[in-house]
Formats: sequence, structure tokens, C-alpha cells
Amino acid sequence: DTAVSQTPKYLVTQMGNDKSIKCEQNLGHDTMYWYKQDSKKFLKIMFSYNNKELIINETVPNRFSPKSPDKAHLNLHINSLELGDSAVYFCASSQYGGYTFGSGTRLTVV
Amino acid sequence: QQPVQSPQAVILREGEDAVINCSSSKALYSVHWYRQKHGEAPVFLMILLKGGEQKGHEKISASFNEKKQQSSLYLTASQLSYSGTYFCGTEREGGLGGGADGLTFGKGTHLIIQP
Repeated sequence: DTAVSQTPKYLVTQMGNDKSIKCEQNLGHDTMYWYKQDSKKFLKIMFSYNNKELIINETVPNRFSPKSPDKAHLNLHINSLELGDSAVYFCASSQYGGYTFGSGTRLTVV
Repeated sequence: QQPVQSPQAVILREGEDAVINCSSSKALYSVHWYRQKHGEAPVFLMILLKGGEQKGHEKISASFNEKKQQSSLYLTASQLSYSGTYFCGTEREGGLGGGADGLTFGKGTHLIIQP
């Protein structure tokens, strides 16, 4: 069983569109995260969710919104996509220890 | 604030040793180390908590100097499988705790192991 699963793996879309990325973890972890990895491989935290409560929101445009229907899921909705949103987005989870990352979603905005 | 990793890149022959450093200007609660291979997700290697401990498994170990807010990752007798980009991730002291703040990652060290 995959511990942290993300869908889709690849996403190609036009500027201005709205898209969602889904994430599910079966580890029973309390905290989930969304990270963005740019073309230079820099990993930057976007959101942290703990027991369905948003804990931290770094300087992320409000076009990005996390949605957590339950403890095991943290989805990412992106409105009005821009060229600069192109990146790999990783979901991760943790429980007072190391992070387990999903396999990533490569988003390309054209 | 982002931790600083050095070196940016290392090229080694199989069997050689490497040291990757990570330093922060902020007081840290923990330091994590991850390895990411091309096209894959980062994989957790180890975590070091405030207290200056050293950890290791197989031929990969790490230390955390709390006074200097520095951590080092040691790879001994490197194998081809060690190739990849190594990231340190830091959690600041005095934060929300329990991982709620998330990790701030360095820019990574690209390690290439040649046969």
C-alpha cells in the first residue's frame, strides 16, 4: 500500500484555469503538508494541516487553498492558474518525526 | 530563514567519503536529512533533535551541533545508490511544535557517485 498518494501525477493546463490535486495518507499521521518544488529544486512549504486545522500558511497567493475533508486527506485547489505556478507539488505527512512524501504532481501551465 | 547547505555539488568515486553541511542562523529544535533522486520524491534519512546527538544507519550518519546550529551528514564508503540531491530541513526552536511549523529546507547538495 502506498503511504502517501497524490493524483494526478502530471497536470498540463492553460493559464486561467482552476485545478485540484488530491492527496491521501494511510499512515495515521496527524499533520499533512503541501510543498512546492521549483525548477531549481528548491522545496518551499505552502501549507501545514494538523487535525484538519490550518496551522501555517506561508506567503502563498490566496489562489491556492487547501481543503481537508478528513485527517487522511489534504487536497490543493488552485484558481486562475499562472505560468509561475508551474512546478512539482509534493504532499507530505508526519507524526513527530520524519516526513513521508507523496510521489509529486508535476504541474505545467501553458 | 532558509538553512545554508554546502557544498552545492560533490562528485566522488565509489568508495570515497563525503560530508554535507547545513547551518542555520536561527536556534533549531530539529534537523532532518532527506535524499531525492531525479524524478522522485524526497526520502527521509534521519532526524536529529536539539541535544547535539549523532545518529546513523549503515554507512550514513549525521551530527547536530546545537551551539553552532550546524548539522553534518557523513556518507562513508559511498555506493552508486547514494547518488542524488541531499536536503537538510530545519524546524526552529520556539515554534508551534509537533511538526506544525513544517520544515524549512536548504537548497540541496547534488551528489554524484562515479564507478
